[in-house]
Amino acid sequence: DTEVTQTPKHLVMGMTNKKSLKCEQHMGHRAMYWYKQKAKKPPELMFVYSYEKLSINESVPSRFSPECPNSSLLNLHLHALQPEDSALYLCASLGLNEKLFFGSGTQLSVL
Amino acid sequence: AQSVTQLGSHVSVSEGALVLLRCNYSSSVPPYLFWYVQYPNQGLQLLLKYTTGATLVKGINGFEAEFKKSETSFHLTKPSAHMSDAAEYFCAVSLYSGAGSYQLTFGKGTKLSVIP
Repeated sequence: DTEVTQTPKHLVMGMTNKKSLKCEQHMGHRAMYWYKQKAKKPPELMFVYSYEKLSINESVPSRFSPECPNSSLLNLHLHALQPEDSALYLCASLGLNEKLFFGSGTQLSVL
Repeated sequence: AQSVTQLGSHVSVSEGALVLLRCNYSSSVPPYLFWYVQYPNQGLQLLLKYTTGATLVKGINGFEAEFKKSETSFHLTKPSAHMSDAAEYFCAVSLYSGAGSYQLTFGKGTKLSVIP
């Protein structure tokens, strides 16, 4: 299994909703990442988990809450988001030779 | 600090023509360099990478890139463009960020269009 699986693929939520994005990999990778990508822009790093511990938080607002329940799973909990948070959210895991494996992303729309 | 500059936000080539996408980097230490491709509404796929060793790197789909330290460049080329190459291409530089993880810094991307 050489994939990073993200669910759901699409999500529409209101500003008062609570939702979660899920990311899963079974490649034994020990570092996992959340990126945010706005249209026609490069991905922006949000969080990095290494060995199930949060190692990088790029000053992300607290309405985004990451969680790493185990070495294969990475969640991103969303609460009270703003319309400007609408974007493609990408998960990635770090393999050998610093290669990042990306999931296909969750396209999030906040109404 | 590290950064990546991609010259040209949009490049158009004819089918069968040479593809050249430019990338320059700055890094305080020897860099790891990557090219990723992104098709619409999809994640990023690694095309090729340079870590150490041979400076001419071959990747998937006929792409290759050459690491030129003196020019701080890592340009992506393909001899003959195919319609399926139309996508967004990102150059990236990686730096060890501690605790077993690396931080990837992306360029702004170059959209490649292929004209029939």
